[in-house]
Amino acid sequence: RKEVEQDPGPFNVPEGATVAFNCTYSNSASQSFFWYRQDCRKEPKLLMSVYSSGNEDGRFTAQLNRASQYISLLIRDSKLSDSATYLCVVNSEYGNKLVFGAGTILRVKS
Amino acid sequence: EADIYQTPRYLVIGTGKKITLECSQTMGHDKMYWYQQDPGMELHLIHYSYGVNSTEKGDLSSESTVSRIRTEHFPLTLESARPSHTSQYLCASSRQAYNEQFFGPGTRLTVL
Repeated sequence: RKEVEQDPGPFNVPEGATVAFNCTYSNSASQSFFWYRQDCRKEPKLLMSVYSSGNEDGRFTAQLNRASQYISLLIRDSKLSDSATYLCVVNSEYGNKLVFGAGTILRVKS
Repeated sequence: EADIYQTPRYLVIGTGKKITLECSQTMGHDKMYWYQQDPGMELHLIHYSYGVNSTEKGDLSSESTVSRIRTEHFPLTLESARPSHTSQYLCASSRQAYNEQFFGPGTRLTVL
């Protein structure tokens, strides 16, 4: 079983829609959670950290559910520019490092 | 913007050549990483370092080697490039192992 699992998508949504992605993780002792965004043929860029109490950054909201071991990303009022692959990142149970999920593809269409 | 740099950005080279991919960061981070990523596929960790003179192999077996003689510099070397090494190589750094990683722009390698 992979340490981090994401629905690969693609999620095809119209502009202005609200879309949510979930990501499950296997390490119950994980303390670090992040969402990254990766555009086609570019490097991943940090979108936001995920805190226990949940956090919001503009149109983006991240939440953590420790009991069920998943994190979520909610995007409101989707823009064309939100089209990208969203990577879920959690610290590994095998050694002192982060594990990147395979990513969820989002396509926002006009 | 993160201050992490990779050169070259693109490299096309023939089979059997020795190549070194450069990665430098000016953030004073102790932790540095190399990932390999094929188009449309997930990131695979191939090497990491927790400080000067510390290097470890990652989750994906790689024929490349790395060195960490200076905090800011983490080069990756392929002694004899093969077409199977064609991929994008991404370098990253972080303050601590559990902190967010910052990525360089990547080197897109093509071995003919």
